Amino acid sequence: GEEVAQTPKHLVRGEGQKAKLYCAPIKGHSYVFWYQQVLKNEFKFLISFQNENVFDETGMPKERFSAKCLPNSPCSLEIQATKLEDSAVYFCASSRISPYEQYFGPGTRLTVT
Amino acid sequence: KQEVTQIPAALSVPEGENLVLNCSFTDSAIYNLQWFRQDPGKGLTSLLLIQSSQREQTSGRLNASLDKSSGRSTLYIAASQPGDSATYLCAVRMNTGNQFYFGTGTSLTVIP
Repeated sequence: GEEVAQTPKHLVRGEGQKAKLYCAPIKGHSYVFWYQQVLKNEFKFLISFQNENVFDETGMPKERFSAKCLPNSPCSLEIQATKLEDSAVYFCASSRISPYEQYFGPGTRLTVT
Repeated sequence: KQEVTQIPAALSVPEGENLVLNCSFTDSAIYNLQWFRQDPGKGLTSLLLIQSSQREQTSGRLNASLDKSSGRSTLYIAASQPGDSATYLCAVRMNTGNQFYFGTGTSLTVIP
């Protein structure tokens, strides 16, 4: 597609439950990035992929967060045993080649209650 | 670690005014810098991308400049319109690694 698609738009989970978010990058884009926006303007990088390979995971909390980009499937970001502080908007972005512009999806708002 | 700061945090101007948004970064070893706008409850829309070798980029009423050595970029908006009201973010990508470091954002309100 011509836009980065993210599903679902909103996700509500009780503390301790699992959350799984999906991202379909723009067709032809090799790189996928995940960001977490907790407060209004604070974007935190989580992880990036080059095709199905992890490219940079320096921002990923090791314990409960995991992500995958498998061939012919949307990329996914999974949070095991969610905590209240995981409440945020999670954005996915893609780019054709690493140094090029990143195009962002509309985000998934995760609310942990 | 790269720190990206945007000043002012909020700006309110009357329609038609020209304005400048500022972005500063602490580590000048950047690969490129990208300006985005974010509308409330929405994702990011890319406005301009400046490579580290470039001094400026223009798109319509927008002009972004980059002074890598001093760690600064500005976004100039000419003849502002109410539709320009949004939060503007700058983000830098370093020479090493793959992630963007985002600024703190400037919330712009253009008053009709």
